[in-house]
Amino acid sequence: AQSVSQHNHHVILSEAASLELGCNYSYGGTVNLFWYVQYPGQHLQLLLKYFSGDPLVKGIKGFEAEFIKSKFSFNLRKPSVQWSDTAEYFCAVIPTDSWGKFQFGAGTQVVVTP
Amino acid sequence: DGGITQSPKYLFRKEGQNVTLSCEQNLNHDAMYWYRQDPGQGLRLIYYSQIVNDFQKGDIAEGYSVSREKKESFPLTVTSAQKNPTAFYLCASSVTAGAFNQPQHFGDGTRLSIL
Repeated sequence: AQSVSQHNHHVILSEAASLELGCNYSYGGTVNLFWYVQYPGQHLQLLLKYFSGDPLVKGIKGFEAEFIKSKFSFNLRKPSVQWSDTAEYFCAVIPTDSWGKFQFGAGTQVVVTP
Repeated sequence: DGGITQSPKYLFRKEGQNVTLSCEQNLNHDAMYWYRQDPGQGLRLIYYSQIVNDFQKGDIAEGYSVSREKKESFPLTVTSAQKNPTAFYLCASSVTAGAFNQPQHFGDGTRLSIL
């Protein structure tokens, strides 16, 4: 069975620090990849997605992610975080031969201190 | 504003009772989903539906049932057969059935607790 691993469950960092959240999946075929964010008190929302083309994708609020097929990874990055980036971040994968079967990682809680 | 409405926000169930969680969307999306979120486990797929009158089991369907009689509605029933129903339940929808690159839109969730 496929799975999605997010390596860090909790991350605490200061404003202006760089952020990188790891996401690895275990599926040998073609996948589409997503990062979602859940700000405190809000619903999950899409941060960015990859389905083809340039493996470096840019999302909202200065986030970007790089798909490295050989490493089965889709890591999320932001060069300089703000206090407002405090949230929980989820990586999600869907194989293109198994519609509907989205698989989510366990999530990473990010706390940015002023 | 278009969106997904889940109700109620909090729900309490007695042992042996079935309860139904509501999910309504006015986004005109074809596909709808139910997830269960437990601490440290992320979201796990319970059921999903590509179109009206059609739905499939996800990874943890045991003890749950759904219906999809209308495009905008996808209620989830947590039956007494679900041995550990205390969790946060999220409903989602996406534009087109079969389109793999379409992101999901999520509701605010329902927190179910056992009395």
